[in-house]
Amino acid sequence: AQTVTQSQPEMSVQEAETVTLSCTYDTSENNYYLFWYKQPPSRQMILVIRQEAYKQQNATENRFSVNFQKAAKSFSLKISDSQLGDTAMYFCAFSREEGSGQGAQKLVFGQGTRLTINP
Amino acid sequence: DVKVTQSSRYLVKRTGEKVFLECVQDMDHENMFWYRQDPGLGLRLIYFSYDVKMKEKGDIPEGYSVSREKKERFSLILESASTNQTSMYLCASSLLEERDYNEQFFGPGTRLTVL
Repeated sequence: AQTVTQSQPEMSVQEAETVTLSCTYDTSENNYYLFWYKQPPSRQMILVIRQEAYKQQNATENRFSVNFQKAAKSFSLKISDSQLGDTAMYFCAFSREEGSGQGAQKLVFGQGTRLTINP
Repeated sequence: DVKVTQSSRYLVKRTGEKVFLECVQDMDHENMFWYRQDPGLGLRLIYFSYDVKMKEKGDIPEGYSVSREKKERFSLILESASTNQTSMYLCASSLLEERDYNEQFFGPGTRLTVL
């Protein structure tokens, strides 16, 4: 069974600093997807960034980038020039796909990291 | 914009009551999911559905059932609520695409308290 582990329950940095959230996962599959989702306080969860396992190049979305180490099964999120609006719960997630071909693409989530950006 | 709505933001029920949580999406997505979110445990999949009247168990289906009579609506049912079902419940939807991953879109969540 796939598992996702986020070892940092809480983190806090000053505005404009760079912060890195860690995530490790365990799977025997070779093809899969990895994600970072953001859940702001009292707001809906949204996708921040995703990485296809077959791509060696790390994904980047504006101030958000990942460090994907497939052999080490590590998938960290770096937030550059952090902003107050980045305060949120961040979840790392792994996508598995059932062999039935229905393509439901279920997600397995980590425990979450509560990130606070201080002014 | 994709919109996923849930019938209640906050709900308080008593032990033994039958509880219905409703989720509606307006983007014609085939897949719909129900998760529960607990501190220190992240999100765990309860049930999912990839088509009308089709459902499959997730990782923690015990004590729950689901209903999908229409494509846009996915209901989570607690037949007899218990205190250990006090949690945040999140609904999500996504397109059915077998060859590539499709983003899941989440609702705002329902915080259920069972007394």
